[in-house]
Amino acid sequence: AQSVTQLGSHVSVSEGALVLLRCNYSSSVPPYLFWYVQYPNQGLQLLLKYTSAATLVKGINGFEAEFKKSETSFHLTKPSAHMSDAAEYFCAVSDPAAGNKLTFGGGTRVLVKP
Amino acid sequence: EAGVAQSPRYKIIEKRQSVAFWCNPISGHATLYWYQQILGQGPKLLIQFQNNGVVDDSQLPKDRFSAERLKGVDSTLKIQPAKLEDSAVYLCASSPGQGGYNEQFFGPGTRLTVL
Repeated sequence: AQSVTQLGSHVSVSEGALVLLRCNYSSSVPPYLFWYVQYPNQGLQLLLKYTSAATLVKGINGFEAEFKKSETSFHLTKPSAHMSDAAEYFCAVSDPAAGNKLTFGGGTRVLVKP
Repeated sequence: EAGVAQSPRYKIIEKRQSVAFWCNPISGHATLYWYQQILGQGPKLLIQFQNNGVVDDSQLPKDRFSAERLKGVDSTLKIQPAKLEDSAVYLCASSPGQGGYNEQFFGPGTRLTVL
């Protein structure tokens, strides 16, 4: 079965510092990969997705992620954190070999310190 | 474009009671999903509809959970009877199609507390 691992359930960064959120997946075939953000009391919003085009994917709000097949990773980065980036971030994988079901990681909560 | 609508936003019930949640997807979206998100975890798919047919309900506890999507538009998710471990946020999402590359658009969720 497909699985997604997000390293670190909580990350604290200073405003202006680099944000790095790690995501590793298990899949025997190249999957589709997503990063979603969830603000308090809201649903999930898509940040970016990888669908087998460019390995470096740019998303909204200055975020980007790089697909590395050899490492089965899809880490999310943002060069300079803003207070508004405080939220929970979920990595998800859609495996064509498993009916395209979306499997989510456990999430990483980001705290931004002034 | 209106987003995915869900109601109610919050619900508190006692164990063994029943509860129902409603979802209205984005207009024209053929695929509808219900997820359960337990506090501190990522969403887990409960059921997926394509139009008004069930595509995947392998993780739906069918002894107590049921869902329907009449006329391929709105959907309801029901729990009867509720257990303490059903306390969670229930998220509805929709997408234009079943393809894995499709973005899923999420509603705000219904937070269920079972006492």
